[in-house]
Amino acid sequence: EAGVAQSPRYKIIEKRQSVAFWCNPISGHATLYWYQQILGQGPKLLIQFQNNGVVDDSQLPKDRFSAERLKGVDSTLKIQPAKLEDSAVYLCASSPPGLAGTNEQFFGPGTRLTVL
Amino acid sequence: AQSVAQPEDQVNVAEGNPLTVKCTYSVSGNPYLFWYVQYPNRGLQFLLKYITGDNLVKGSYGFEAEFNKSQTSFHLKKPSALVSDSALYFCAVRDDGGNNRLAFGKGNQVVVIP
Repeated sequence: EAGVAQSPRYKIIEKRQSVAFWCNPISGHATLYWYQQILGQGPKLLIQFQNNGVVDDSQLPKDRFSAERLKGVDSTLKIQPAKLEDSAVYLCASSPPGLAGTNEQFFGPGTRLTVL
Repeated sequence: AQSVAQPEDQVNVAEGNPLTVKCTYSVSGNPYLFWYVQYPNRGLQFLLKYITGDNLVKGSYGFEAEFNKSQTSFHLKKPSALVSDSALYFCAVRDDGGNNRLAFGKGNQVVVIP
């Protein structure tokens, strides 16, 4: 079974530039998550999709971050414009259908973003 | 809101000795508890979970964890540590009520000394 794919693996940009990350979840996984992991901290949920719809985006800084999941499969997370404090690893995860909240999440390798 | 505390930054243990990584949680309802491991430059990998039932949960790579409701703890254990267990370990909790978000602790770096 193929895992969660993410690209790019690394990205370096200057502040005020924009950047986009791509995620392809495991086939058949209805739920997709984007997390931000700052060095020395645990992952923090940015947004959760159930198929095409947004379930939770309460921690997404909507003035600069946006995400979409077209056709309920791949997803893109965008930052525009980037700030220095956005430097982090952005993790995508997916989970299979099942009783809400009980299934484990499968994580991709992450995209390491450095904002200069 | 749900939260997790992992009080130690780093756990050092000699190879072959028992390994324990501590986790306490806070939720308003009943907890769903998870442990994940992260190796360098890789995403998180699931180790084990507690949803309901037996308080002792067994998972991957010889790890187990015990759910203790009175102490609100879910400590991760392994009877005999291997050098390859050196990694970053995250405890996470989800409330079984309305808020479905998974909250992670800050992580514990485990160093197994040969």
